[in-house]
Amino acid sequence: DIQMTQSPSSLSASVGDRVTITCRASQSISSYLNWYQQKPGRAPKLLIYAASSLQSGVPSRFSGSASGTDFTLTISSLQPEDFATYYCQQSYSSPLTFGQGTKVEIK
Amino acid sequence: EVQLVESGGGLVQPGGSLRLSCAASGFTFSSFWMTWVRQAPGKGLEWVARIKQDGSEKHYVDSVKGRFTISRDNAKNSLYLQMNSLRAEDTAVYYCARVHLSPWDGFDIWGQGTMVTVSS
Repeated sequence: DIQMTQSPSSLSASVGDRVTITCRASQSISSYLNWYQQKPGRAPKLLIYAASSLQSGVPSRFSGSASGTDFTLTISSLQPEDFATYYCQQSYSSPLTFGQGTKVEIK
Repeated sequence: EVQLVESGGGLVQPGGSLRLSCAASGFTFSSFWMTWVRQAPGKGLEWVARIKQDGSEKHYVDSVKGRFTISRDNAKNSLYLQMNSLRAEDTAVYYCARVHLSPWDGFDIWGQGTMVTVSS
């Protein structure tokens, strides 16, 4: 199975900060990497698919990039509604696997 | 409105069975792969199973193989998860979701989730 390792597990940031979350795959997954945002008690929301494609309706402050087996989600200017938990997920091969999550908290 | 609504969750004893349903509306259900994802209380997301548009391909996480069965009825715009031989570790919120464009894409539409509790 492909292991997805996210870092950090949590971070504290202020409104307006630039935030970067990293996800590393245990083997090559091409660009089959997706990012989700989840708020407490809510279903996850797709932000980025295929490593860097912005899902329709998602603000442009969210972006994704890839370098080999390392993937990055960047929030260019953190907004109050962005405080949530973020998950990466590989869709390259079954079983599909998620990272353990990164909780973004208010500083 | 594009929507997925799960039902069928509840409290079940270890070794018991439960059938989850997911009703789709607002899109052409038969055109999309569909999937189930679960989340144990206070834990992260775990993919459970997925099914191709015509039901001809099904994939499962190892921990549910032989116990869970994913199926669909395109005429009823419905997705199902039959769960047998349930264990305490199956306790979770179960979400159904639509696979975005291809089997390698993310899950773009999610239901609200249904809680399954396995306990005596």
